[in-house]
Amino acid sequence: KNEVEQSPQNLTAQEGEFITINCSYSVGISALHWLQQHPGGGIVSLFMLSSGKKKHGRLIATINIQEKHSSLHITASHPRDSAVYICAVSPGTASKLTFGTGTRLQVTL
Amino acid sequence: GAVVSQHPSWVICKSGTSVKIECRSLDFQATTMFWYRQFPKQSLMLMATSNEGSKATYEQGVEKDKFLINHASLTLSTLTVTSAHPEDSSFYICSANPALLAGPDTQYFGPGTRLTVL
Repeated sequence: KNEVEQSPQNLTAQEGEFITINCSYSVGISALHWLQQHPGGGIVSLFMLSSGKKKHGRLIATINIQEKHSSLHITASHPRDSAVYICAVSPGTASKLTFGTGTRLQVTL
Repeated sequence: GAVVSQHPSWVICKSGTSVKIECRSLDFQATTMFWYRQFPKQSLMLMATSNEGSKATYEQGVEKDKFLINHASLTLSTLTVTSAHPEDSSFYICSANPALLAGPDTQYFGPGTRLTVL
């Protein structure tokens, strides 16, 4: 079993839909990261959080430390949101990240 | 701010040659940089942790003599794939930790380098 599990693996949505991607982890962490990888390959860091909730534009990330679970929400989804979203956790030692397998999101018109 | 660049963005080489990939933090100093490898439709796999002025720490199963890492300055780390073979073809991504600015958990990622070995 992977230390970081994401669901769903693949997600197709219509423009405007509210999207939720989930991440569960099994180890103690100091921080959780949500990353976005576009088809070209480059990775953008969306959020780093260790408690509560963060919002940036149409993106919202929440984390429940007790339940070892985080969610990434996208409101009013748009085709340009199509990408792979990756959850990664930092165990707090040497800053090494452990990655989930990613959620491939396709938003259609 | 907090931009990490990689050069080249893509490279094609013949089997047996060596390829050097550069990772630069453009507007901050990075005491620690990380090198990752990503196979198609798979997630990132940490190869090694690079600290400025010291030897890199390699993950289990990564050949340090094949993947040479040099972190000569606070803004530059290089990964050299020596005697490349087709199975080394992959997407290589670096990240940098601006510890002095943002703490040990923050990482900024480079755009990646796609290596194809013929």
